[in-house]
Amino acid sequence: SQTIHQWPATLVQPVGSPLSLECTVEGTSNPNLYWYRQAAGRGLQLLFYSVGIGQISSEVPQNLSASRPQDRQFILSSKKLLLSDSGFYLCAWSGLGGSFNYGYTFGSGTRLTVV
Amino acid sequence: DAKTTQPPSMDCAEGRAANLPCNHSTISGNEYVYWYRQIHSQGPQYIIHGLKNNETNEMASLIITEDRKSSTLILPHATLRDTAVYYCIATYGGSQGNLIFGKGTKLSVKP
Repeated sequence: SQTIHQWPATLVQPVGSPLSLECTVEGTSNPNLYWYRQAAGRGLQLLFYSVGIGQISSEVPQNLSASRPQDRQFILSSKKLLLSDSGFYLCAWSGLGGSFNYGYTFGSGTRLTVV
Repeated sequence: DAKTTQPPSMDCAEGRAANLPCNHSTISGNEYVYWYRQIHSQGPQYIIHGLKNNETNEMASLIITEDRKSSTLILPHATLRDTAVYYCIATYGGSQGNLIFGKGTKLSVKP
């Protein structure tokens, strides 16, 4: 069965420090991968998505970047965090093709607090 | 993706059916209707999706009107653990569509 791992679960970082959040998927190949952010009291915002290794699409220009060095690995990074980067970060995957039966599967999320 | 409209909040008594409405009047012919829910401090969970036929799985039923302009998610016997924000999303299936979440409906199941 497919599983998605996301870590760390919580993170407190000072303003100006770098960030690296990692997400890996097991039990599937060539998944679509996504990074979402949910700021406190707000909805889920799609940040990046990837349909293959090295292929990254950005939905919102910002202080963050994403990379996909391996088929089932998706990394969210920042060189210098801002206070506004605080939030709940979620990784998700979905299958490829013209349709999929089970929608997106989300990881358990990383709660980032920038202080 | 077609825009969806949901009531901001609803209450439901435990053990009763919860009927969550969604309006998607501008949905196109090949856009699916997806439902997710997010329990506090967790990632969203897929519930069900459909194109034009009604669908049922172990979690819920999805009723889509014949003109596809609206749908209803039905939780047949709501429990306290069903308290969550429920999102209705209209999007293309597969790699063409990205899930764009709105504000959803906050469902509170009460004893």
